Amino acid sequence: DTGVSQDPRHKITKRGQNVTFRCDPISEHNRLYWYRQTLGQGPEFLTYFQNEAQLEKSRLLSDRFSAERPKGSFSTLEIQRTEQGDSAMYLCASSLRQGASTDTQYFGPGTRLTVL
Amino acid sequence: AQSVTQLGSHVSVSEGALVLLRCNYSSSVPPYLFWYVQYPNQGLQLLLKYTSAATLVKGINGFEAEFKKSETSFHLTKPSAHMSDAAEYFCAVSDQSGGSNYKLTFGKGTLLTVNP
Repeated sequence: DTGVSQDPRHKITKRGQNVTFRCDPISEHNRLYWYRQTLGQGPEFLTYFQNEAQLEKSRLLSDRFSAERPKGSFSTLEIQRTEQGDSAMYLCASSLRQGASTDTQYFGPGTRLTVL
Repeated sequence: AQSVTQLGSHVSVSEGALVLLRCNYSSSVPPYLFWYVQYPNQGLQLLLKYTSAATLVKGINGFEAEFKKSETSFHLTKPSAHMSDAAEYFCAVSDQSGGSNYKLTFGKGTLLTVNP
């Protein structure tokens, strides 16, 4: 169990540029989540995958955001035409769905995005 | 809709003193509740979780929390603070209704400072 990893850890970009983040979940975890955390706030849910299927997207996820999880393994989160308001920490988490009870989400270190 | 309120955005204690971080939740059904800790520039680490078993939950690093349904609370405590406990703490709830038991709703966090 090597934990959830995210790449890059930090990204500085200019407004209007596209950025892509990668998340590698704990192996064999079938669920993967993306959250966004702004300064002084708790993480906010963006989207989640069960295997390769994206099952829910928050209203926070505008049409400039797209997430994929090909083959149910790693996931990417792309932001097109970045805006200064996109500056935040983007957190990825994964969990193993077992039965009907809730599963524990394990978080990665996050990608801190700064849009200039 | 479920929500989490963490009373006190900043708590300061002396080393060796009792730590008490407050969390109240709002949920239409009995929830699952979590406490996570976040160290600077890192992701979230699970401290403990309540999943409708024992109301007193013991976690890592000497922390524990008690679920009180009548007070809709899930306060986090530690008998004796250590310098290494200085971090930000987040309470989170997972709604068990409507098949949405994957989405965590977080409070705004409480920054714990430990003074020597």
